[in-house]
Amino acid sequence: DAGVTQSPTHLIKTRGQHVTLRCSPISGHKSVSWYQQVLGQGPQFIFQYYEKEERGRGNFPDRFSARQFPNYSSELNVNALLLGDSALYLCASSLGLFATNEKLFFGSGTQLSVL
Amino acid sequence: AQTVTQSQPEMSVQEAETVTLSCTYDTSESDYYLFWYKQPPSRQMILVIRQEAYKQQNATENRFSVNFQKAAKSFSLKISDSQLGDAAMYFCAYRSAGAGGTSYGKLTFGQGTILTVHP
Repeated sequence: DAGVTQSPTHLIKTRGQHVTLRCSPISGHKSVSWYQQVLGQGPQFIFQYYEKEERGRGNFPDRFSARQFPNYSSELNVNALLLGDSALYLCASSLGLFATNEKLFFGSGTQLSVL
Repeated sequence: AQTVTQSQPEMSVQEAETVTLSCTYDTSESDYYLFWYKQPPSRQMILVIRQEAYKQQNATENRFSVNFQKAAKSFSLKISDSQLGDAAMYFCAYRSAGAGGTSYGKLTFGQGTILTVHP
């Protein structure tokens, strides 16, 4: 079975541009979470989506948005890119809301470089 | 807000030896989960071990075990019989177990510890 897949694996953008990152969860998983990992730091929570609804949001500006599709795949959008948005963006999926004994499965991320 | 602190940016160990990675956290909640994740150069986060705060017994997974001290808010990871494949970045993470608007998908991570294993 395929794990969590993210595309693209690497991306280079310039300041002010817009970017869309994509995530396909493990088959049967209904929840997707997004994390930003700046070089040398731990990941920071951006969003969680479950059944196409936003169920949690981290401390990120409104330039960051996301959505989840009927097939449970998800997109993360970032507008007006800043140099500080350069990071590894990780997607994680879980069967449900990742409550109690559920496990969270991570993809290998999209490395975004903003020049 | 919860915080997680890993005070060891780097650690090293000889193959077959034992190493302990430290983690402390701060929370006002009584019910939560703690995790250790491994991030190899492939960048994919891999769950190593999980501890429920309501359980007094320390979790173990083969060569990996934790020392969970709830009162001290400490959660260290012990790796026994270290192998070359254990070399990676290790992250300690916290997740609230509460309801009432809490996002279950929100993990709070520490800064990470780079583990080097010498042959």
